[in-house]
Amino acid sequence: DAMVIQNPRYQVTQFGKPVTLSCSQTLNHNVMYWYQQKSSQAPKLLFHYYDKDFNNEADTPDNFQSRRPNTSFCFLDIRSPGLGDAAMYLCATSRGYGQEQLFFGSGTQLSVL
Amino acid sequence: KNEVEQSPQNLTAQEGEFITINCSYSVGISALHWLQQHPGGGIVSLFMLSSGKKKHGRLIATINIQEKHSSLHITASHPRDSAVYICAGRGQSSGDKLTFGTGTRLAVRP
Repeated sequence: DAMVIQNPRYQVTQFGKPVTLSCSQTLNHNVMYWYQQKSSQAPKLLFHYYDKDFNNEADTPDNFQSRRPNTSFCFLDIRSPGLGDAAMYLCATSRGYGQEQLFFGSGTQLSVL
Repeated sequence: KNEVEQSPQNLTAQEGEFITINCSYSVGISALHWLQQHPGGGIVSLFMLSSGKKKHGRLIATINIQEKHSSLHITASHPRDSAVYICAGRGQSSGDKLTFGTGTRLAVRP
């Protein structure tokens, strides 16, 4: 059974039209991550939560926001998607920092038309 | 120079061959992760290592902390093993961030 679930698997949006990607987890993990992965590149960390504490990467564009209303769910909001935001978005969880296993979702492939 | 380097970048093998993918890192880490990603797919975590050796089915991962080197071995390779394999170092010097290697694209031919 999937433990980190991302919806939808594929998302198509229009240039400038806000879009929300979701991630849920059944592991009760404290840490949730959002990564952006463009074709043939390594994943890039956008932000992460430790419980409710939000940690933004310095180079994450302001266009990207995140919400974590409870332990199980985390959302990625892209306020005004541009063509350059087309990518695979990956959610991952971990019980904590350091020597803890990481669990990834299957990703959401975002296309911007 | 990347902080986490993998070799080879691309690898083609015949079904049944023993495969080794190498990872060297120059940063301080609390753990090293081996990840698998199929084309257009999400990432599957294969191993997390902080020392020694781990085995899961046909996969074996080793790490040498002193030499800052890790290897992923696949025994009796199969076409379904075809994927990108990524090593990633976590934490210590990077505030718990994952520092990803460049990835190794493996193709196993029947």
